[in-house]
Amino acid sequence: GESVGLHLPTLSVQEGDNSIINCAYSNSASDYFIWYKQESGKGPQFIIDIRSNMDKRQGQRVTVLLNKTVKHLSLQIAATQPGDSAVYFCAENPHNAGNMLTFGGGTRLMVKP
Amino acid sequence: KAGVTQTPRYLIKTRGQQVTLSCSPISGHRSVSWYQQTPGQGLQFLFEYFSETQRNKGNFPGRFSGRQFSNSRSEMNVSTLELGDSALYLCASSFGQPNTGELFFGEGSRLTVL
Repeated sequence: GESVGLHLPTLSVQEGDNSIINCAYSNSASDYFIWYKQESGKGPQFIIDIRSNMDKRQGQRVTVLLNKTVKHLSLQIAATQPGDSAVYFCAENPHNAGNMLTFGGGTRLMVKP
Repeated sequence: KAGVTQTPRYLIKTRGQQVTLSCSPISGHRSVSWYQQTPGQGLQFLFEYFSETQRNKGNFPGRFSGRQFSNSRSEMNVSTLELGDSALYLCASSFGQPNTGELFFGEGSRLTVL
């Protein structure tokens, strides 16, 4: 079946650098995408979302890019801080599927001080 | 504003037993979704309830069931537990309209099956 996947399982960056986390999706029926951050011992926390009619959306220090042609999603974190260390998941929500999300496998972001 | 509350946080069961997990959503939220998180399979959707009705269901066997009460609180039940059911079970709540905002997750119930 179709699924959401991630290119890299672990990403290590220096504090202050920018981070880019990538995600590939295959369900062409998905029209809503979300990035979540999960810290150890906690549930996933919403970071930013984007709809399929957009290519880019910016938040505070984060930007999500959506390339529907190649079914690719990315999360950019500017000036990465130690507090950004966590596992990041992308998730897709197919059209007319309520709040049923399909999550990617996750990328662990490690920020070196 | 209180977040999503899940109880119990940790529990240990043996094979063949059954377990009930509880989720209290954020006040005003009418949708409750359940997810299973394991190292091998990641986060997988179990089911979603909205206004006491199951709106969506994932690919899990019938041993996994749930329900939602009139106050939007939800429970999920797993019968005849198997070792592979060991996981973190996460509950998420939202106002209910799909694709309109984030899901708010609880901290989960960690189930260990021996």
